[in-house]
Amino acid sequence: GQQLNQSPQSMFIQEGEDVSMNCTSSSIFNTWLWYKQDPGEGPVLLIALYKAGELTSNGRLTAQFGITRKDSFLNISASIPSDVGIYFCAGRNAGNMLTFGGGTRLMVKP
Amino acid sequence: NAGVTQTPKFQVLKTGQSMTLQCAQDMNHEYMSWYRQDPGMGLRLIHYSVGAGITDQGEVPNGYNVSRSTTEDFPLRLLSAAPSQTSVYFCASSRRTATDTQYFGPGTRLTVL
Repeated sequence: GQQLNQSPQSMFIQEGEDVSMNCTSSSIFNTWLWYKQDPGEGPVLLIALYKAGELTSNGRLTAQFGITRKDSFLNISASIPSDVGIYFCAGRNAGNMLTFGGGTRLMVKP
Repeated sequence: NAGVTQTPKFQVLKTGQSMTLQCAQDMNHEYMSWYRQDPGMGLRLIHYSVGAGITDQGEVPNGYNVSRSTTEDFPLRLLSAAPSQTSVYFCASSRRTATDTQYFGPGTRLTVL
């Protein structure tokens, strides 16, 4: 099946830092989505991207749909403790199925 | 609205047992789906449905059956549980398609011994 490579797999953040993560694929996607999952809960949609080159913000979060349609990134500016969690990218091609990346786990620096 | 509800929250099965994971939504959504989540692998689509009476296979359908007799309910059946089916299972629904905002249930943590 299709593979979405998400990196980094995990990272530590300090409050106030900016955070970046990305997803790459060998296949083209028509839609890119970014989700956040808190412990013991299901994922929640953060941002949806529908056009190549699109740059969309949601508060401190900014995501872009790569122009090759094979990648996307998510930035979090001025991180706060509640940003901790697992972030997933997901892509959709011509069908009605989503393919998810392996996730980026954000943790707080001790 | 209760959103998407799943039962049970936790389940332990022995190899070979069968069971049904329940999923219901009260948002009148057409699209419903089942995912399994394993460490480091994100979520993988098992089955999905675009409306009552219509179901289709996802990425990892083997060992699972679904039906969609009503808009509200989308049960997932494990016919003969295997240890490889130990996972966290999430049900999700959206208005019409996979890329409409999907609302996820709280998950069912299944262990097969």
